[in-house]
Formats: sequence, structure tokens, C-alpha cells
Amino acid sequence: DTGVSQNPRHKITKRGQNVTFRCDPISEHNRLYWYRQTLGQGPEFLTYFQNEAQLEKSRLLSDRFSAERPKGSFSTLEIQRTEQGDSAMYLCASSLEVSPTPYTFGSGTRLTVV
Amino acid sequence: GEDVEQSLFLSVREGDSSVINCTYTDSSSTYLYWYKQEPGAGLQLLTYIFSNMDMKQDQRLTVLLNKKDKHLSLRIADTQTGDSAIYFCAEKVWGKLQFGAGTQVVVTP
Repeated sequence: DTGVSQNPRHKITKRGQNVTFRCDPISEHNRLYWYRQTLGQGPEFLTYFQNEAQLEKSRLLSDRFSAERPKGSFSTLEIQRTEQGDSAMYLCASSLEVSPTPYTFGSGTRLTVV
Repeated sequence: GEDVEQSLFLSVREGDSSVINCTYTDSSSTYLYWYKQEPGAGLQLLTYIFSNMDMKQDQRLTVLLNKKDKHLSLRIADTQTGDSAIYFCAEKVWGKLQFGAGTQVVVTP
């Protein structure tokens, strides 16, 4: 297993366009998390899945954001009608359910909205 | 804002020890973690400590936990130029990691 994979690595989009990011977790990990990181800040929690169920969403996740994990494997994060404030690094992580297993992070998708 | 607080910057000479400090606020945190992030990359787990321990050593890394003061520190012995990065502490609360803003460590020759 090569770890958590995120695609694309970089995305530049015009304001108002929709974007979709993909995350492939470590295969035996049943939990998958999305975080957002802006410059000079630590990662902020957006949402997480246990298998295919989305168990929690942060207040940061506005109606323009939607995440899915249809078969409990890979996940997608879609942002509709992007705004300049959406520019950030979007990080995906996966873990086993049982503690203390820490998260394994992917390399992230850097989104720039122009 | 974050509930986990860290100093923003640390400069250290190569070969010296680095100490990065962190204060967390949730006494129910079960595990506390240290991650490293290099420019343009994701977060790499360095080490973690269970909340009922007060120290953990892993090669050049030593984690100290003062649960009474909710203070966590990471000591890096014999700091190398490859240790230059941003270091995040994180607490696990209700299954989710909450991160500090990170401490940028710059190692000078």
C-alpha cells in the first residue's frame, strides 16, 4: 500500500466554477477525514466518514461543499460555485477505527481560486 | 479559533536540542500527537502519547506531558537541517484531531 493518495495535487479554477477532489485512503482503514488548511494555520476539520457513512460535518462545511464515500473506499469532496476564500490546501487522512491509531495524511490538494 | 496553542517560531543551531511547546485545553483528550509538515507536503506523524503517560522517547524525539497543566512538549535531540519544518501538536477529542497553528522550526548551520 502506498499510503493515502490525493488527486489532483494542484487545482486552479475561476471563481464560480465547481471543483472535485479525490482521496484514496489506505485500503484497510475504515475512517476517512477531510481537513482544510490555510496559510499559517493548522488543519481544520471538515468532515469524516466511517465506511460509507458520513458521521460528522463541521460548521465550516457550507452548503456549497459536499463529500461522499460511496463504497466505503475512495472519497470525493466537491465545492460548488467556488469563492476566493475557498483557496486552501485540502487534506485527506485515513485511520482505523480503534485508538490509538493515528491519522495517515495524504499530500493534499492545493486549490487556488482566481 | 484553535483550542491548541503553540509558539509560532523557533530558531535553533544545528546539533543543539529543540524544544517545541504546546498547550491543549480538553482534559478528556485521550491521545496527543506531534506531526511534521514540510513545504508543500501533507502531515507526517512523528509520535504520539497516551494521556496517562508523562514521557515517551523515540530515538531523537522525547515527548513530555504534564496533564495537570495540559502542557505537551517535543524535544528533538541533535537537531539537523532536515528537521526544518512546521511542527503541529494535536489532541484527539471525540475521535477527531484538533490541531494547533504550528511552530515553524528553522535550523541554522
